[in-house]
Parts: sequence; structure tokens; C-alpha cells
Amino acid sequence: GDSVTQMEGPVTLSEEAFLTINCTYTATGYPSLFWYVQYPGEGLQLLLKATKADDKGSNKGFEATYRKETTSFHLEKGSVQVSDSAVYFCASHGSGNTGKLIFGQGTTLQVKP
Amino acid sequence: EPEVTQTPSHQVTQMGQEVILRCVPISNHLYFYWYRQILGQKVEFLVSFYNNEISEKSEIFDDQFSVERPDGSNFTLKIRSTKLEDSAMYFCASRTEALSAGTGELFFGEGSRLTVL
Repeated sequence: GDSVTQMEGPVTLSEEAFLTINCTYTATGYPSLFWYVQYPGEGLQLLLKATKADDKGSNKGFEATYRKETTSFHLEKGSVQVSDSAVYFCASHGSGNTGKLIFGQGTTLQVKP
Repeated sequence: EPEVTQTPSHQVTQMGQEVILRCVPISNHLYFYWYRQILGQKVEFLVSFYNNEISEKSEIFDDQFSVERPDGSNFTLKIRSTKLEDSAMYFCASRTEALSAGTGELFFGEGSRLTVL
């Protein structure tokens, strides 16, 4: 069945370090892919998205490229800030036509000054 | 900016009691969802709703759960007889375009935390 797998957390980095959070998916066809972010005490916010192979989604310095060859959508940022501390969720569309999203288990990022 | 709003933000209830969680989706959205996040775990799909009926539900969404859109603006999740394991954050989400026409991103509310004692 459809699934999304993320790297285990927590990830602890110093400010200005490079970030990578790995995400792979299994699906029928080529679903749209998403990264959502959850700041402490808040809901899920869309960070970026890609709707087809080789698309690159970007927002707030974060980037992710839709790689169909490796069924991956890794999240990267060149220089993290303390304010980036949050839980990051990778998601893909599930099969069927209801538009539901399937989420990975989430990766907690803690950035220290 | 339009947003999905959920009430209550936190509800504490006794095991066996009925709970209704309320959501007001973004006004021109057509597809509605409920998700659950048990503390520290992944966000799990519960149910999707379109055109006034359930379009898909997960195995979590058993007979204790129901959804309705009573008045064209609210979208509610009812848990008939709560169990301890229902304690979680419940997120409502909505979406506008038909799947073929858009990117299909979901807009989420800030969640309702349910604590069952």
C-alpha cells in the first residue's frame, strides 16, 4: 500500500548548519508530494510541494526535489535558524481520488544558537 | 487569509462520554478531512467527506466515529463513547480543487486536543 517513510529524529543542529531530512514514498503512479511543518503548539502548515517528477518545491530557504527514480523527496536547507525548530512531515497523495494525504512519521528538528 | 478553524482547542472528557469536535473549513472548499495525531506519533488519516457523504475512511474510523456537515459551514467529528486510546490531537483539513485540476494541498486547522480520563 501507499506509505511515506522519513528519517528518524530528533535532528539537532547548530545555527547556520546544513539540513537534510530524508523522505521516500511508495505509491501507485506519481502522486503530488508535500512537506508540512508543525511549530510547537500549532497545527500543520504547508511548507512546500511538488506535483510532478523533477519539480523542485521551495519556500523560506527550504527546497525539495521530486525524484521518481529513487521515489524520494528529501528536504534541504543551506543554513538553518533557531526559528526553524519544529516537526517536519513529508506527505504524499494516497491512491484513489479522495485527495487524502499520507504522512510520514515526522522528524523533529532542534536548532541551537 | 482564509483559514480552517477548530473548536474546542482542548477538551477533557470521561471514558464512555460522547464528544463532538467542530471545524469550520475554508468557505469555498469542497473536500473535508479529519486526521488524528496521538502524542509523539504520526498524523493518521481518519475520514474524507465530499458532497455530503463519506468518500473514504480508514480502519481507525469505526462505528464509534461519525461525521456530518449539519449547516453548510460546520464539519463535525463525533466520537460516540470515548476510550482512553482516543486521546489525541484531532486535525480538520479542507481542500478546494478537484484532484485533476490542482495540486491537492490540504489546509489544516490548529487542532483539537482530546484527553480521555
